[in-house]
Formats: sequence, C-alpha cells, structure tokens
Amino acid sequence: NAGVTQTPKFQVLKTGQSMTLQCAQDMNHEYMSWYRQDPGMGLRLIHYSVGAGITDQGEVPNGYNVSRSTTEDFPLRLLSAAPSQTSVYFCASTFDRGTALGGEQFFGPGTRLTVL
Amino acid sequence: GNSVTQMEGPVTLSEEAFLTINCTYTATGYPSLFWYVQYPGEGLQLLLKATKADDKGSNKGFEATYRKETTSFHLEKGSVQVSDSAVYFCALIQLMNRDDKIIFGKGTRLHILP
Repeated sequence: NAGVTQTPKFQVLKTGQSMTLQCAQDMNHEYMSWYRQDPGMGLRLIHYSVGAGITDQGEVPNGYNVSRSTTEDFPLRLLSAAPSQTSVYFCASTFDRGTALGGEQFFGPGTRLTVL
Repeated sequence: GNSVTQMEGPVTLSEEAFLTINCTYTATGYPSLFWYVQYPGEGLQLLLKATKADDKGSNKGFEATYRKETTSFHLEKGSVQVSDSAVYFCALIQLMNRDDKIIFGKGTRLHILP
C-alpha cells in the first residue's frame, strides 16, 4: 500500500491563479479530509467526505472546493488563490466515521503552498 | 463553540526529565480527546486517546486522563528521551451528522536536550 499520497509537494502560485491539490489513498477508506496548517496554529479542517459523492464543510471552507467522485481520490481546488491561502495542506483518510471518531487518521506528507 | 487550548511552546527539557503539556477544551456535549505528534517534515500521528470522562490514554510512556470536571487532557511522561523531540497537538473530535468537528490546539514544540 502507498498509503495517502499528495501531489505536488511544493507549489508557488500568483494571486488569482487556480490549482488543484491532489490526494489519493489505496486503503479503501471511506472518510477523507483536508486540513491546513499555519505557523503557530494547529490543523484546521477545510472539507471532509464520508464517502464517494458526499462532501461537507469543515471549519475554514471559504475559497476551497472539493469533490469526491471515487473512493480513492479527494482533490482540493483553489479557484482564485489569495496570499491568505499560503499554508501547508494535509490530506488524511480513515476507514469510516467510526474510526474517524477514534482519531485514527492516516495523514499524507503535505503540500507546501505559497501564494504571492 | 468547540475549542482547544494548549500551553505555548517551545518547551525545552533535559533527557529523563518529567514532562507535562497542558491542554484544556470547551465543547458542547461529550467529545473524544486526543494527542497527536508531528515529527519534522511529516504528517500527524495519533499518540493516544480517551473517549469518555475518567478514561486514561497511554502509549510509548505518555499518558493523559480525560477530566470532565476541569475540562482538561494534560499530556505527561515520566522520563523523556531525545527522540521525543517533536510538536504535540491536543485535539477533540465530535462527529455529528453532516457537522463533524475535528478541532486541534496550536501545538507545543518540545526540545529534549541530551
């Protein structure tokens, strides 16, 4: 198993550009989520999905879109990047809501995004 | 609303010292509580958890007890090692239909000196 993979590892954007952060898992996990981590801050939940075709907003969803067309993939889209979106982005997955409640999430290695 | 507050870092200790990292929370209802650890350049890893009041979570010599009366979940270790140097996050999780809450504290960086 490759676990949770994220691409790219690093990205620099200009204000107003769009891009998609990719996240994939090969563990047949139903529950996937996106977080951002800023200096001096904990992780903040952006969006999550309890299964293919279902997505919900987390704590800080504004400026981000997600979709979940397959169990394996959960891309995060920035439609018009802003400097405030400079952050490290982590994708995580777990088997289902039950294991999510148990805190047993597998985290990807992160994507470091800079918006100029 | 739900929130997690943990002590500011960095915390610097000598090897074999006693460690306490304080964590308090506010929540409606009865969340589950967690400690995660993040090593440089990596994602978070679950360290320990407690799902109800008075539960004690433990792993790798670390312990934390879910105290409902003081809304706390302090992390302790009796004798730290250099390899414990990392950032530690306290978190609460409360899953409600279409309104899941996964809230992390700001993190405490721990440096252990040999």
